[in-house]
Amino acid sequence: QKEVEQNSGPLSVPEGAIASLNCTYSDRGSQSFFWYRQYSGKSPELIMFIYSNGDKEDGRFTAQLNKASQYVSLLIRDSQPSDSATYLCAVNNDYKLSFGAGTTVTVRA
Amino acid sequence: NAGVTQTPKFQVLKTGQSMTLQCAQDMNHNSMYWYRQDPGMGLRLIYYSASEGTTDKGEVPNGYNVSRLNKREFSLRLESAAPSQTSVYFCASSGTSWASSNTGELFFGEGSRLTVL
Repeated sequence: QKEVEQNSGPLSVPEGAIASLNCTYSDRGSQSFFWYRQYSGKSPELIMFIYSNGDKEDGRFTAQLNKASQYVSLLIRDSQPSDSATYLCAVNNDYKLSFGAGTTVTVRA
Repeated sequence: NAGVTQTPKFQVLKTGQSMTLQCAQDMNHNSMYWYRQDPGMGLRLIYYSASEGTTDKGEVPNGYNVSRLNKREFSLRLESAAPSQTSVYFCASSGTSWASSNTGELFFGEGSRLTVL
């Protein structure tokens, strides 16, 4: 079983809609959870991190964490064409991050 | 403000050739990492260095070696390149302290695209 699994894409949403991305992880001891965004041909950049159960909001982005279910999600509200990218879920485990395969999001104008 | 700098950005090798990917960071970070990214497989950790003087294997270390030359520099060496090592390689760094190194916020270089024929 892969350490970090993401829902398979690609995900296509109309402009202004909500994009919902899901991620599950296998190590119950993981404490820190991250969402990175990667534009085509570029390096990943951090957009959200969450450490505690519940929701965390930052602008149009909301991260949700449920440690009991080993589940973390990212909601993108009012999706814009500039949100079209691959979103990588990452889980911290003792000095290193394990990444999911990523979900590619396309926002249709 | 350079951040994480990788060289070279592009390289083509023949099977069996060797090469070293260089990485340097100017953020005084403790931890440094080498990842490879292949289509549909996300980022996979090759080696990491939690602090100066230490290195550890990641998920896919076979065929690679690393050197943490000093706090700033972390190099990745392919001794005998194979076509399976065709990939995009990312160097990353994190943390100015033990605690912040362990939070997982990574700063990535621009990537090095390697093709092995």
